[in-house]
Amino acid sequence: QEQLVESGGAVVQPEESLKLSCTASGFIFSYYSIHWVRQAPGKGLEWVALISYDGNKKYYADSVKGRFTMSRDNSKSTLYLQMNSLKPEDTAVYYCAKRFGVAFDVWGQGTRVTVSS
Amino acid sequence: QSALTQPASVSGSPGQSVTISCTGSSSDVGDYNYVSWYAHHPDKAPKLIISDVTTRPSGVSARFSGSKSGNTATLTISGLQAADEADYYCSSYRTNNTWVFGGGTKLTVL
Repeated sequence: QEQLVESGGAVVQPEESLKLSCTASGFIFSYYSIHWVRQAPGKGLEWVALISYDGNKKYYADSVKGRFTMSRDNSKSTLYLQMNSLKPEDTAVYYCAKRFGVAFDVWGQGTRVTVSS
Repeated sequence: QSALTQPASVSGSPGQSVTISCTGSSSDVGDYNYVSWYAHHPDKAPKLIISDVTTRPSGVSARFSGSKSGNTATLTISGLQAADEADYYCSSYRTNNTWVFGGGTKLTVL
């Protein structure tokens, strides 16, 4: 069955960097665009970024533009989110989600990022 | 990027119907038929239940339905069951390959 598994979440200090991974199985990874979505504690979901199936196009929310970078390695069915200059407001559970039309049809269980001094 | 507006909570008894609204603007909900809905049970991955305003993915119960009028989309859950208790989120495509979510609605089955 189609599955996404996130990893790499950690506790870091403000201004530090962190790289998240998202590994796919059960579908042809290289065919699909993938999103990152996050949920801060006690808050709703927030769309973060999208990368096209071939990695050539990337789109970011204003809140992370210039600090976060998405990439992918289709040979490894893995997606990455490089997060730099982290802020306390980046504290959240980060989900990767497969694009289905204009919706998100397969989600991972999430990985937790805490930014605190 | 303002979030879409959802009621914080709704409730209903087993067998009843409930509706959850999702209000956006002419830049998202009002301009595109690309509203989707997700059920998020605690400690589980969110689950797509409605795409493109009204489309139910394979395997999703017919008790879930979606609609839209102007800048407001609505999710209706009929024949409420205890297992429906979850947080529900709407999402809409917004211009330039960006998306926006609602703040979420906690559904309580009494």
